[in-house]
Amino acid sequence: DAKTTQPNSMESNEEEPVHLPCNHSTISGTDYIHWYRQLPSQGPEYVIHGLTSNVNNRMASLAIAEDRKSSTLILHRATLRDAAVYYCILNRSGGSNYKLTFGKGTLLTVNP
Amino acid sequence: KAGVTQTPRYLIKTRGQQVTLSCSPISGHRSVSWYQQTPGQGLQFLFEYFSETQRNKGNFPGRFSGRQFSNSRSEMNVSTLELGDSALYLCASSLVRGSEAFFGQGTRLTVV
Repeated sequence: DAKTTQPNSMESNEEEPVHLPCNHSTISGTDYIHWYRQLPSQGPEYVIHGLTSNVNNRMASLAIAEDRKSSTLILHRATLRDAAVYYCILNRSGGSNYKLTFGKGTLLTVNP
Repeated sequence: KAGVTQTPRYLIKTRGQQVTLSCSPISGHRSVSWYQQTPGQGLQFLFEYFSETQRNKGNFPGRFSGRQFSNSRSEMNVSTLELGDSALYLCASSLVRGSEAFFGQGTRLTVV
């Protein structure tokens, strides 16, 4: 499985943008980039995913580098509720062995 | 629509016993995956079921098993419980294999 590398922790202030980086230098052409987050005492929550183009949804934006070896999850205005562990995961499409391989993720702290 | 429902939410068992956990996926979702989360190992993939068939299995001993019913509901079973099986067990459902996964709140299993 292709691996991802994320910083262990990041800190942000409320109502400021947050850019969470992820490196995936061994990504293959059929790997989608998925982001999930886990709030305290809850199961993981889907945030966003993309293949090659940048993606936006109501929760966040995903910026994917042209060579696809890295990506950045962007929270446009952080709130206290965004404090969570964020996981960047590569998900191979069309494969028979579908599974999500979680790393340690990035612990995001949001200061009021 | 209702989310992924896991029962029970909390469970205390004694070493050597067996346990069955239940997961009801989102209506219409046919793929169900199970994950174990512990402080030391993080989130680890257990197995995935689709159309009542196990499609993929993680690196866990044979004491961990599961099944999926025709209505997509799934159960996982752990036999001969060990102290190290104490963990949060999470179930996730997807509309199709590889699409965004929706997680339940989990079942917190404590083995004493």
